[in-house]
Amino acid sequence: GAGVSQTPSNKVTEKGKYVELRCDPISGHTALYWYRQSLGQGPEFLIYFQGTGAADDSGLPNDRFFAVRPEGSVSTLKIQRTERGDSAVYLCASSLTPRLAGNEQFFGPGTRLTVL
Amino acid sequence: DQQVKQNSPSLSVQEGRISILNCDYTNSMFDYFLWYKKYPAEGPTFLISISSIKDKNEDGRFTVFLNKSAKHLSLHIVPSQPGDSAVYFCAARSGQGGATNKLIFGTGTLLAVQP
Repeated sequence: GAGVSQTPSNKVTEKGKYVELRCDPISGHTALYWYRQSLGQGPEFLIYFQGTGAADDSGLPNDRFFAVRPEGSVSTLKIQRTERGDSAVYLCASSLTPRLAGNEQFFGPGTRLTVL
Repeated sequence: DQQVKQNSPSLSVQEGRISILNCDYTNSMFDYFLWYKKYPAEGPTFLISISSIKDKNEDGRFTVFLNKSAKHLSLHIVPSQPGDSAVYFCAARSGQGGATNKLIFGTGTLLAVQP
């Protein structure tokens, strides 16, 4: 079966531009997560969806960041007015419903975002 | 404030020997711990996990030990193989009654297994 996929794999943009990053979770996984990883750091939590709703968005750094999952499957992370400090690898993960199964999250390969 | 700490940025081990990777945490509300392995240009791959109600979990060559009183966990790999060379991340989940399932990661340890 297919794992978590993310597109694009690389994105280069200019400061101030808007970007969208896409995540396709594993089929049947109701939970979806976004993390970002900066050089030399571990992944840092951004947002967690259970179904279509954001159950926890406490990790979004500011209101330039927004994520949606309108049909409970594919998710899009949107960043407005990008800044150089937004440059990182953005990781998406999915899992089965945490309360019904283990808590293992399965990660995609990430999107490397570079803001010039 | 780093709630999950991996104090060794790197570790080098001979093939066939045991690799021991360590992780410390500060938050006593963490109820689940996981280890992930990451190769360059790939996403983290789940390895093994342990619930806070246990003190050991074993899966093949991988064993995770949890010492709740010391807020410390470790991953043992035996025997180590060159293909195990990667960055290993420790992660913890804050229970919070199931309200969130976010993971908090350490900064990782780069394991190099020498042939």
